[in-house]
Amino acid sequence: QITLKESGPTLVKPTQTLTLTCTFSGFSLSTTSVAVSWIRQPPGEALEWLALIFWDDDKRYSPSLKSRLTITKDTSRNQVVLTMTNMDPVDTGTYYCAHMNTQEIQTLHYWGQGTLVTVSS
Amino acid sequence: DIQMTQSPSTLSASVGDRVTITCRASQSVGSWLAWYQQKPGKAPKLLIYEVSRLEVGVPSRFSGSGSGTEFTLTISSLQPDDFATYYCQQYYSYWMFGQGTKVEIK
Repeated sequence: QITLKESGPTLVKPTQTLTLTCTFSGFSLSTTSVAVSWIRQPPGEALEWLALIFWDDDKRYSPSLKSRLTITKDTSRNQVVLTMTNMDPVDTGTYYCAHMNTQEIQTLHYWGQGTLVTVSS
Repeated sequence: DIQMTQSPSTLSASVGDRVTITCRASQSVGSWLAWYQQKPGKAPKLLIYEVSRLEVGVPSRFSGSGSGTEFTLTISSLQPDDFATYYCQQYYSYWMFGQGTKVEIK
């Protein structure tokens, strides 16, 4: 059974750096074809894809946010970390991580429950 | 970037109605199109991938069709559990979502 869970601060100040951790079970990020992604959703708004990391450490970033994002993995701890610099109130929202297997369904399949991040001074 | 546009933004319907949601891509995404259902306070749930392939456990009243730049999600007979927001997503180039269609009770 694949599960993912996001964790991190619920409140960050403007200009600070946000660090979120996705802890997962039921799969390994050292397995060929596996990837983990981050997606966010401002309150009442649409989903926005942020970043993705593959099993081989290849990475993809949203073109509009690339300069602010870094995604890394810790295979031994079954974790993926997303950092987002220079946080602004418009970055307030629920942040999700999700699993993908490129040999099965080549999109975001299993999702975590999400974690709400508020950006405010 | 490929832009995804859904219509309508909100849809009012009754139980038993046939419901169709349209998704248009700004350029061809081939067959790399998925649909998600999201209920308030919950994570999105994958319903359909590769345009028309139902995720395991998804009721057969859901179906998807289309190709290239125009796609549809159809619910053949709307059930109480189907009132939710639906998102299309292309995964031809990155993983981009439409703005969502809220299906509400008429």
